[in-house]
Amino acid sequence: GQQVMQIPQYQHVQEGEDFTTYCNSSTTLSNIQWYKQRPGGHPVFLIQLVKSGEVKKQKRLTFQFGEAKKNSSLHITATQTTDVGTYFCSRNTGFQKLVFGTGTRLLVSP
Amino acid sequence: ETGVTQSPTHLIKTRGQQVTLRCSSQSGHNTVSWYQQALGQGPQFIFQYYREEENGRGNFPPRFSGLQFPNYSSELNVNALELDDSALYLCASSSKPEETQYFGPGTRLLVL
Repeated sequence: GQQVMQIPQYQHVQEGEDFTTYCNSSTTLSNIQWYKQRPGGHPVFLIQLVKSGEVKKQKRLTFQFGEAKKNSSLHITATQTTDVGTYFCSRNTGFQKLVFGTGTRLLVSP
Repeated sequence: ETGVTQSPTHLIKTRGQQVTLRCSSQSGHNTVSWYQQALGQGPQFIFQYYREEENGRGNFPPRFSGLQFPNYSSELNVNALELDDSALYLCASSSKPEETQYFGPGTRLLVL
């Protein structure tokens, strides 16, 4: 299956700065999911986006699904050290057979 | 926590050996999916089990096989281990195949 590309691969920010990761697909996505994986941990489900242009917020996290349903973004406002980890987007090929993106590793310095 | 458990947490094997990994799904979940995550990469779908039947398979050779039991727990078996099989093996359960998956803590396999 076609992989979903994420940029950047890695970002190092100072605590309090904002962070954004982008997820891009060459094909239209039925939905997109975001997961967070802490170092040494396992992926934790954050959110699923389904509708074109959809925007959802979870506290300091803002998730957006593009109008063409080919891209998505995750924005974190005022990062904290607890935000450290790798953020993955994933597409659903059918019945939750997930194809994960390449991931963006976030490091936050205090 | 998700309620999905996996055993063992860590395992060391040598090339050519066989390994069995176990997963207990969250209560009420009848679907289990297995993923392989190599170091520094995203998880890759291996296969999914729904009500004790295989319900889709990723691009993995036949030496990767699985089972799901009547209580919906699951096993992943890997025969003829290769060095490249060293990875974190994750299982994820859901209440139905189309519902959100919740991951267990994983089993770290090292093949020497």
